[in-house]
Amino acid sequence: KAGVTQTPRYLIKTRGQQVTLSCSPISGHRSVSWYQQTPGQGLQFLFEYFSETQRNKGNFPGRFSGRQFSNSRSEMNVSTLELGDSALYLCASSLVPTVYEQYFGPGTRLTVT
Amino acid sequence: DAKTTQPNSMESNEEEPVHLPCNHSTISGTDYIHWYRQLPSQGPEYVIHGLTSNVNNRMASLAIAEDRKSSTLILHRATLRDAAVYYCILTKGSGGGADGLTFGKGTHLIIQP
Repeated sequence: KAGVTQTPRYLIKTRGQQVTLSCSPISGHRSVSWYQQTPGQGLQFLFEYFSETQRNKGNFPGRFSGRQFSNSRSEMNVSTLELGDSALYLCASSLVPTVYEQYFGPGTRLTVT
Repeated sequence: DAKTTQPNSMESNEEEPVHLPCNHSTISGTDYIHWYRQLPSQGPEYVIHGLTSNVNNRMASLAIAEDRKSSTLILHRATLRDAAVYYCILTKGSGGGADGLTFGKGTHLIIQP
């Protein structure tokens, strides 16, 4: 069974631009969560989607948004990029919303210049 | 929210058992204990979780103190591939979604050949 896939793997953007990251969950998994990982703050929860609905949201500004499609694939968008948005963005999937056995993708490394 | 405390780093030799400690003295009765690990350049990987009883799976064992104020992740025979950052995480209840996964700094496990 294929794991969680994230595209693109690496991305360089300029401050002020916007970016869209994509996540394809494990087949059959309907819950997708997003995390941001930086050296200073570690892994921080962004939001979780299930059945195309956002269930939970972490403490991030409104510039960070996401959505989930009917096939459970998810995208996250960051508008008006700031230098501090440079990070590894990780997507995790699970069968249903649960804290158990989240399966993480390899992440998208975003660099904002 | 209950907090976990882990050593910043630990070192062990290949093919020897490794005991990774986690203190959670303010744990509540419904808090579950989870362990994830993150190998270099990869997303986190679920290892094991438990509530009160010790747990075993193909990757590791989780030993939970009787008062539940501490737990130990046991890798029975470490390999070089086990070199990673290990996170001990508490979550409330048996479900609730990914917002329960709050990653701390974790323990950086170094395996010497």
